[in-house]
Amino acid sequence: DTEVTQTPKHLVMGMTNKKSLKCEQHMGHRAMYWYKQKAKKPPELMFVYSYEKLSINESVPSRFSPECPNSSLLNLHLHALQPEDSALYLCASSQGTGYGALTEAFFGQGTRLTVV
Amino acid sequence: AQRVTQPEKLLSVFKGAPVELKCNYSYSGSPELFWYVQYSRQRLQLLLRHISRESIKGFTADLNKGETSFHLKKPFAQEEDSAMYYCALSGEYGNKLVFGAGTILRVKS
Repeated sequence: DTEVTQTPKHLVMGMTNKKSLKCEQHMGHRAMYWYKQKAKKPPELMFVYSYEKLSINESVPSRFSPECPNSSLLNLHLHALQPEDSALYLCASSQGTGYGALTEAFFGQGTRLTVV
Repeated sequence: AQRVTQPEKLLSVFKGAPVELKCNYSYSGSPELFWYVQYSRQRLQLLLRHISRESIKGFTADLNKGETSFHLKKPFAQEEDSAMYYCALSGEYGNKLVFGAGTILRVKS
């Protein structure tokens, strides 16, 4: 299984809602990532988990809360989002981190989030 | 800071013509460079990375540290190459992938 699976594929939520995005991989990868991609823009890194510990937070607002319950799962909890947070949220994983290691990132299909 | 520049938003070529997608980077340490491709309605996927020096689907890319470039080349474009191409850089700690703005390649018949 060489896939990163994200659920749901589409999500519409109100500004007062609480929702979660889920990401799963069974490749034994030890690094997992959340990216945000606005239309016609490149993916922007939000968070990196390495060995289930948060290693990078790119100054993301606290209304986005990541969680890594185990080495195969990554969640992104959403609360009190704004309409400008509407975007495609991509999850990715890689075997490891560190220069020369197998840092190829495998991406999921993404969750298209609309905040109304 | 890591920065990747792809100067062309759109590159349009005829089938059979050579293709060069430009990528320049800025990074003070030892970078790891990648090309990712996104075909219509498909997920982002790795095309090439400099460390493996391979040719995938006829594409090659050479890291030029003097010019801080990692241009993607293919001698004869095919219609199925039409896609969005992103150049990306990972720094020495290998845990932060930064993408360029992307170049849309359109191959016309």
